[in-house]
Formats: sequence, C-alpha cells, structure tokens
Amino acid sequence: QVHLVESGGGVVQPGGSLRLSCAASGFTFNTFAMHWVRQAPGKGLEWVAFLGHDGINKYYADAVKGRFSISRDISKNMLYLEMKSLRAEDSAVYYCAKQYHWNSLDYWGQGALVTVSS
Amino acid sequence: DIQVTQSPSSVSASVGDRVTITCQASQDITNWLAWYQHKPGEAPKLLIYTASTLHGGVPSRFSGSGSGTDFTLTISSLQPEDAATYYCQQVNSFPHSFGQGTKLEIK
Repeated sequence: QVHLVESGGGVVQPGGSLRLSCAASGFTFNTFAMHWVRQAPGKGLEWVAFLGHDGINKYYADAVKGRFSISRDISKNMLYLEMKSLRAEDSAVYYCAKQYHWNSLDYWGQGALVTVSS
Repeated sequence: DIQVTQSPSSVSASVGDRVTITCQASQDITNWLAWYQHKPGEAPKLLIYTASTLHGGVPSRFSGSGSGTDFTLTISSLQPEDAATYYCQQVNSFPHSFGQGTKLEIK
C-alpha cells in the first residue's frame, strides 16, 4: 500500500535553511504529481508547492516563492522541499501528499514539524 | 488567485444529526473541488473529489454537491468518529487554496 514518510524537520533560526524529505513507496513514484501542504500551529491547511509527474512543472504559493524549492529523486523515490531564508511564519507541520484524480490529494504523510525560532 | 471561503468555522451537533458545510470560491471553478477530513495528530483524509465523487472507502453518509462557485459537504447522520476539522480545496488553478476549515464537534 501507499506510504509517505516525511523527515528532516527541526528547529532552525530565522534566516536559516532546512531540507525536508518525503520517502514514497507503494506506487509508481515517477508517474504521479506530488505536493507539499503545511499547517501552522492553531491554523488551517495551506498549500505550499507542486511538482508535476514529469518532474519539470513546478508551482509555489506566493508566501514561499523564491525561498522554497520542490524536487525529487526518482531513483530513490524521494520528494524534497528545500527551504531557505526561513521566517517565523514558516513554522508549521509540513505534509507531503500524492496527487490523485482531478488534482485531489489521496495520500498524505504524517507530517514533519519545522520550528523557526531564535 | 482564487479565494475559498468556508463556513461555518465551527459547528456542534448530536449523533444522528444532519450537518452541512459550505464552501464558496471567488470565481467559477466548475467542479474542481475536493473535501478533506483532518483529525489532530493524523494525516488529512480525502473524502470527496470533483465536488461530488466519494473517495473509495469513505462512508456513504458523506456527500458533496455544487458547481461553479458554491459547494456543500453534507454528513447525513453524524457519527462520533466524524469529530474532526473539514476543509475544502479548490484544485482548478494554482495556488490550490484551502478553505479556512470547519471544526465539527459532537455534543
């Protein structure tokens, strides 16, 4: 069955960098688009980034554009989110999610907590 | 960008009640809308896609309707395990924005 497992979260100072990873299994990774979604403490879900099944098409939320970068390694079935110039408002649980029919998200990981604090 | 407005922000209902949550998009998204259930400490779960298609394994008491800009999630007979926060998401164009969420409590 499908499994998505995030890792790489932690505490980082404002202005710092962090790379989140998402290990995917149970499906043909290179044929599905993938997303990152986050949830700040006490807040709702916020869509962050998209990577097309071709590994080329990418889209980002305005709040992270120019600072975050989504990528993948199909040889390792890994999805990544490179985060730079981190701000306090980037503190959140970050979920990776697999795209399904009609752009919905059918499988999600358990999330990785990122805390940006001095 | 498309804005998504969800209401109410919270609702309290009894087991067996019918519960309705609404979602309004700032522009026509035809039926490019999904609904999710999210419980604390768990991964969100897909309930409905294309506004009204029930995802596999989701109980039939959940249903979705609407098209264009106005959408509804209905739980026909509330069960204790339905306590959660529910989100709509427009998936018509990027950014794929979520509604603010509706926290459903069981009385």
